Amino acid sequence: GAVVSQHPSRVICKSGTSVKIECRSLDFQATTMFWYRQFPKQSLMLMATSNEGSKATYEQGVEKDKFLINHASLTLSTLTVTSAHPEDSSFYICSASPGPRNSPLHFGNGTRLTVT
Amino acid sequence: AQTVTQSQPEMSVQEAETVTLSCTYDTSENNYYLFWYKQPPSRQMILVIRQEAYKQQNATENRFSVNFQKAAKSFSLKISDSQLGDTAMYFCAFMKLKRNSGNTPLVFGKGTRLSVIA
Repeated sequence: GAVVSQHPSRVICKSGTSVKIECRSLDFQATTMFWYRQFPKQSLMLMATSNEGSKATYEQGVEKDKFLINHASLTLSTLTVTSAHPEDSSFYICSASPGPRNSPLHFGNGTRLTVT
Repeated sequence: AQTVTQSQPEMSVQEAETVTLSCTYDTSENNYYLFWYKQPPSRQMILVIRQEAYKQQNATENRFSVNFQKAAKSFSLKISDSQLGDTAMYFCAFMKLKRNSGNTPLVFGKGTRLSVIA
């Protein structure tokens, strides 16, 4: 079945540094990937839609200069948290679909980011 | 904009019993999908069941079934013969259909934490 790989699964970084999270579709091509954020005991909130070959679309309230998204190929999207602060500590999870349209979304295993 | 409401933050059920998780949604769309996802402590998102809005028949996957009431915008999940491994957070989610190719993101409810008790 369709597999989405997310790396790293856990990362701890110091305040002020940047962290890159990768989301790969292993056995299918995905022109669109989605990035979600989940705080403890809360739901998944959409941060942005990653579009291959074009700019990402960010949800209201999400700073595009802080959360840089690059979707350079049909199998890879990256989320870079720039100048991380403790309040950025969260669980980040990506999803993608192999198509055809509106087929079920498959999720990566998520990345737990801790900023100290 | 679409909203998904899960009014039960926590529920518990005895092993082998049946439990129903509630979900309502609000949308002006006519064509959409509804999902139930399970998130165990590992935090992996696992698709439990999917319902296409244009289908009147309720979806069923082994011990999991839904009661889809389109007019009432209700989409409840029934788990039969509950097992200890069903203990998890359950999220109801909505996805609207795009006319062209491509996918739209999921809109999630706040989740229901289900505990199956031995």
